[in-house]
Amino acid sequence: KNEVEQSPQNLTAQEGEFITINCSYSVGISALHWLQQHPGGGIVSLFMLSSGKKKHGRLIATINIQEKHSSLHITASHPRDSAVYICAGLMDSNYQLIWGAGTKLIIKP
Amino acid sequence: DTGVSQNPRHKITKRGQNVTFRCDPISEHNRLYWYRQTLGQGPEFLTYFQNEAQLEKSRLLSDRFSAERPKGSFSTLEIQRTEQGDSAMYLCASSLGVTAFTGELFFGEGSRLTVL
Repeated sequence: KNEVEQSPQNLTAQEGEFITINCSYSVGISALHWLQQHPGGGIVSLFMLSSGKKKHGRLIATINIQEKHSSLHITASHPRDSAVYICAGLMDSNYQLIWGAGTKLIIKP
Repeated sequence: DTGVSQNPRHKITKRGQNVTFRCDPISEHNRLYWYRQTLGQGPEFLTYFQNEAQLEKSRLLSDRFSAERPKGSFSTLEIQRTEQGDSAMYLCASSLGVTAFTGELFFGEGSRLTVL
């Protein structure tokens, strides 16, 4: 079964904390997207990873293809980072996206 | 390029009417996805095109839903005989992909459907 499992489902932290969101995926998925959606807002692509590590500002995404695991890190978190973060895996066979359930992140000032 | 464009942004219709949404992807993006999102839920896959070919369609999608991408550029999603349960945000996304290589995914702002 093609799956993408994300954890935690909900995360509340204080401003400044280091945040980690995890994503595990099954065989048959060749690349992973990390996406962000603010409440009532559109979906924005943060990263697309098939190997290694990418960094953009305070956001870092890593992927371990042997372990089929990816993480999204936020350094020096800020209340404006509060959003739902979603990982979505791209299937090898038909290039369809398999979505994780999302992580609702709340950063308190 | 101004990104993925969706029209209309908001559609209010009476139950039983037909509605059509349009998505203009980023030019040269060959992959186009349609999703549906209801309040508080994650996006639900509807269908996917690679160029003009519709490669996948969700089994959850009833026959009232149809999508086209006639020239491999813009796409339309039509819902016939709308029901109140069809009320949702309809999202379009596009990317550039060659076999297993995939570029970044870009989303439109969505078309919100309200069925009265």
